[in-house]
Amino acid sequence: RKEVEQDPGPFNVPEGATVAFNCTYSNSASQSFFWYRQDCRKEPKLLMSVYSSGNEDGRFTAQLNRASQYISLLIRDSKLSDSATYLCVVLKRNFNKFYFGSGTKLNVKP
Amino acid sequence: NAGVTQTPKFRVLKTGQSMTLLCAQDMNHEYMYWYRQDPGMGLRLIHYSVGEGTTAKGEVPDGYNVSRLKKQNFLLGLESAAPSQTSVYFCASSGSGQGINEQYFGPGTRLTVT
Repeated sequence: RKEVEQDPGPFNVPEGATVAFNCTYSNSASQSFFWYRQDCRKEPKLLMSVYSSGNEDGRFTAQLNRASQYISLLIRDSKLSDSATYLCVVLKRNFNKFYFGSGTKLNVKP
Repeated sequence: NAGVTQTPKFRVLKTGQSMTLLCAQDMNHEYMYWYRQDPGMGLRLIHYSVGEGTTAKGEVPDGYNVSRLKKQNFLLGLESAAPSQTSVYFCASSGSGQGINEQYFGPGTRLTVT
């Protein structure tokens, strides 16, 4: 079983829509959680860290559910520029390793 | 502050040739990582380092070697390239403090082995 699993999509949504991605992780020892964004043929870039109490950054909201071992990302008022692949990442601190999901592709259309 | 840089950006090798990819970071990070990314697959960890002079194997280490002689540099070597090593290679670094330590990535090296 993969450490981190995501729906690959693609999610095709119109501008202005709200879209949500989920990600599940297999190991309860995972200690830190992140969402990264990757544009085509570019490096992944940190979108936001995910805190236990949930956190918001503008149009983006991230939530963590440790009991069910999943992380979510909600994007409100989608923009064309949000089109990208979103990577779910977990860190096992005692092993100093980051585990990446395969990514969820989002296409925002006019 | 350049962050994480990688050289070269592109390379074409013939089967059996060798090469070294260089990663440099100027953020004084303890941890450095090498990943490969193939179409339809996520990032897979090749090797990583938790400090100067240390290296460890990741998920897909076969056919690669690494060295971390200086804290700011992490080298990835291919001794005898194979077509299966055609991929995009990303280097990353992260801190080791008590807080949340995210990874920062270099721009990638696109390697083709013919």
